[in-house]
Amino acid sequence: GENVEQHPSTLSVQEGDSAVIKCTYSDSASNYFPWYKQELGKRPQLIIDIRSNVGEKKDQRIAVTLNKTAKHFSLHITETQPEDSAVYFCAASKGSNSGYALNFGKGTSLLVTP
Amino acid sequence: DTEVTQTPKHLVMGMTNKKSLKCEQHMGHRAMYWYKQKAKKPPELMFVYSYEKLSINESVPSRFSPECPNSSLLNLHLHALQPEDSALYLCASSRTDQAGYTFGSGTRLTVV
Repeated sequence: GENVEQHPSTLSVQEGDSAVIKCTYSDSASNYFPWYKQELGKRPQLIIDIRSNVGEKKDQRIAVTLNKTAKHFSLHITETQPEDSAVYFCAASKGSNSGYALNFGKGTSLLVTP
Repeated sequence: DTEVTQTPKHLVMGMTNKKSLKCEQHMGHRAMYWYKQKAKKPPELMFVYSYEKLSINESVPSRFSPECPNSSLLNLHLHALQPEDSALYLCASSRTDQAGYTFGSGTRLTVV
């Protein structure tokens, strides 16, 4: 099955700095790559996603890049703010008529210090 | 309505109890999912329903029994659970041809 690896497991940055989280996947058939943010005690929330026919996607301070050849994708957060502190999960899915079962990375705990 | 609603929010049950978790969505999504999340771990897929039929069972023990009575509802029946089954149980839904699904707020289950 799909194996998603995520690094680093923890990341501490100063407010205003950029943060980068990287993931690799094993199944070349995977075609959908979402990123979720989870605050303590809350549900995972989709923050950005990318499909395999696109190399980069940006939404305000958040961007995701995908390298299909190398089978890795990354989350970039610019101008970080304390409210960006949370656990971030990457995931990969190949989708089917049955829906999109997600395989998650182990998560990155991001701390943004003022 | 763009929400996935889960009830109850919290549940404490004994190892001999039978209980059910409920999930409801009215977005017309025909794929629905159960995930289990332990503390400080990622969500793990348990079951996928597509058009009200079970399409994926990730080798989940039979003490967890899913049910999809109609296109808006998804249940998870629990029986003879173990303390290690204590976790956050998350429901989600999506279109079958498009990803980007939303999780419900979850049921925090404690087995005593």
